[in-house]
Amino acid sequence: DAGVTQSPTHLIKTRGQQVTLRCSPKSGHDTVSWYQQALGQGPQFIFQYYEEEERQRGNFPDRFSGHQFPNYSSELNVNALLLGDSALYLCASSLAFLEGYEQYFGPGTRLTVT
Amino acid sequence: ELKVEQNPLFLSMQEGKNYTIYCNYSTTSDRLYWYRQDPGKSLESLFVLLSNGAVKQEGRLMASLDTKARLSTLHITAAVHDLSATYFCAVVTDSGGGADGLTFGKGTHLIIQP
Repeated sequence: DAGVTQSPTHLIKTRGQQVTLRCSPKSGHDTVSWYQQALGQGPQFIFQYYEEEERQRGNFPDRFSGHQFPNYSSELNVNALLLGDSALYLCASSLAFLEGYEQYFGPGTRLTVT
Repeated sequence: ELKVEQNPLFLSMQEGKNYTIYCNYSTTSDRLYWYRQDPGKSLESLFVLLSNGAVKQEGRLMASLDTKARLSTLHITAAVHDLSATYFCAVVTDSGGGADGLTFGKGTHLIIQP
């Protein structure tokens, strides 16, 4: 049973560029959440997708956008990259309304903006 | 705005000793998570606590939840070196309508010395 997978593992971009990160949820899960974790900090919630729609959003600017596909996989897009966007981006998957409410995290994508 | 505070943020202890990590949160929530993170790695789920008075144990770790005090504890019994990691607590930001993005604490960096 494959867990949550993310690609790419590492990415280096220049300020002002755009980036797309990808996430495949754990088999059977239908909800995907994205988090940003700066070095030495706790993860911060970006947004959550369910049934191909953004269900909840954290305190992030519109430069951060996403998408969920019919197979439940998801993309995170960041436009006009800033140096401060350098972080580990984590994807978590879960099954909506499942008793137990486990949220499983993927290995993350390390984004460096120069 | 939901705030999650952990203390201590840094803890160095000897093998064989007991200690407790505390997690306070500022608004009502019915779900609390504990995660472990090793350096350079993603988050590993430890416990999900769903109700007042919930207690869960796994090996040398035991977590409890007091929703009235808005407090969770993670107790470590007879610590061993392998438990060295950063521990995060996280609280559901908004459980209305099923949305359940997490607000994380800053983490407790735990070092267990032989």
